[in-house]
Amino acid sequence: GNSVTQMEGPVTLSEEAFLTINCTYTATGYPSLFWYVQYPGEGLQLLLKATKADDKGSNKGFEATYRKETTSFHLEKGSVQVSDSAVYFCQYSGTYKYIFGTGTRLKVLA
Amino acid sequence: DSGVTQTPKHLITATGQRVTLRCSPRSGDLSVYWYQQSLDQGLQFLIQYYNGEERAKGNILERFSAQQFPDLHSELNLSSLELGDSALYFCASSPGRQNQETQYFGPGTRLLVL
Repeated sequence: GNSVTQMEGPVTLSEEAFLTINCTYTATGYPSLFWYVQYPGEGLQLLLKATKADDKGSNKGFEATYRKETTSFHLEKGSVQVSDSAVYFCQYSGTYKYIFGTGTRLKVLA
Repeated sequence: DSGVTQTPKHLITATGQRVTLRCSPRSGDLSVYWYQQSLDQGLQFLIQYYNGEERAKGNILERFSAQQFPDLHSELNLSSLELGDSALYFCASSPGRQNQETQYFGPGTRLLVL
């Protein structure tokens, strides 16, 4: 079946460090891929998305490229801030299938 | 603020009981989704409604049911509650015009079953 595998956390970084959170998926058909972020006590909110192969989603300095050949959608940011501390979720969205990864907690230290 | 509202914020109940969680989608959105978030299972898709009709079913237990009303708000009913049903329940909505849309999440209802 379809699945999303996300790197385990927590990830602890110093401010201005480079961030990568890995996400791979198994899929049938042509899914869209999303990254959502969850701040403490809140619901998930969209960070970025890509709807087809080779698309790059970007927002607030975060980027992810939809790579069909490696079935990956890794999240990157060149320089993290303390305010980026949150839980990040990768999501596969197929036809009536909505699968989240387990979430990766990021802690950024000043 | 996503525009999706959920009530109540917190719910404490006992095993064997029944509860109803309520969700109001963003203005204009026709699709509503329900998710369960727990420590051991992560974020699991339960069910989707579109304009009053069930559209997709995920890992929803038979003890759970949902509906979407003509005014587009949705309710998730959980019955014969067990300790393991303690979780955060999220509702999300989307316009519903196409597949694979961005979903807008509410703040969640935290359910504790004692």
